[in-house]
Amino acid sequence: QVLLQESGPGLVEPSETLSLMCTVSGASIASNYWTWFRQPPGGRLEWIGYIYYSGGTNHNPTIFNPSLESRVTISADTSKNHVSLKLTSVTTADTAVYYCTRGGGFGGYPDFWGQGTLVAVSS
Amino acid sequence: DIQMTQSPSFLSASVGDRVTITCRASQNIIRYLNWLQQKPGKAPELLIYGVSNLQTGVPSRFSGSRSGTDFILTISSLEPEDFATYYCQQSYATPWTFGQGTKVEI
Repeated sequence: QVLLQESGPGLVEPSETLSLMCTVSGASIASNYWTWFRQPPGGRLEWIGYIYYSGGTNHNPTIFNPSLESRVTISADTSKNHVSLKLTSVTTADTAVYYCTRGGGFGGYPDFWGQGTLVAVSS
Repeated sequence: DIQMTQSPSFLSASVGDRVTITCRASQNIIRYLNWLQQKPGKAPELLIYGVSNLQTGVPSRFSGSRSGTDFILTISSLEPEDFATYYCQQSYATPWTFGQGTKVEI
């Protein structure tokens, strides 16, 4: 069974950087796609982007939602088997539950989800 | 971006009912259409991928199909645990996009 657990601050101040970690167990992050989504309170799910972690090279392609591309970074760390999300210059519009999932790429599908973590942007 | 439109947005049903939810994409997405279920306060769960492939562990009362430009999620006989919000999602092109959701309630 693949388990994912998101962690990070529940409150971020406007203009600061939102940083979340997704710890994966039951699967290696190598040779898999890992995707981040978010969902504002009462709102629609939004795809943030994904990373394909090849594991053996420094080339780990990422693709992001154009609406967030200038502010978002997704990275992976095999030593800790986790995937990270950073979103810079946050505003109240970034308040949402953030989910990490396994799966991505052309025609892919998110088959395992973390429980999600609520991040509020507020001063 | 590919727009995904679901209908209906709300559906009132009873245990034992046959339920169908429709999703239409703004352009051809071939067969790259997934269905997810979300219960209040919980993460979404994958039900069906690639139009009609049942995810492991999902009950057989759930099925997916395609009719022309419409993608259809069918629940053959509604169970109490099926009252939830259902989303379609395309993975043909980035950004991946979702329908607005269909809330199935009593």
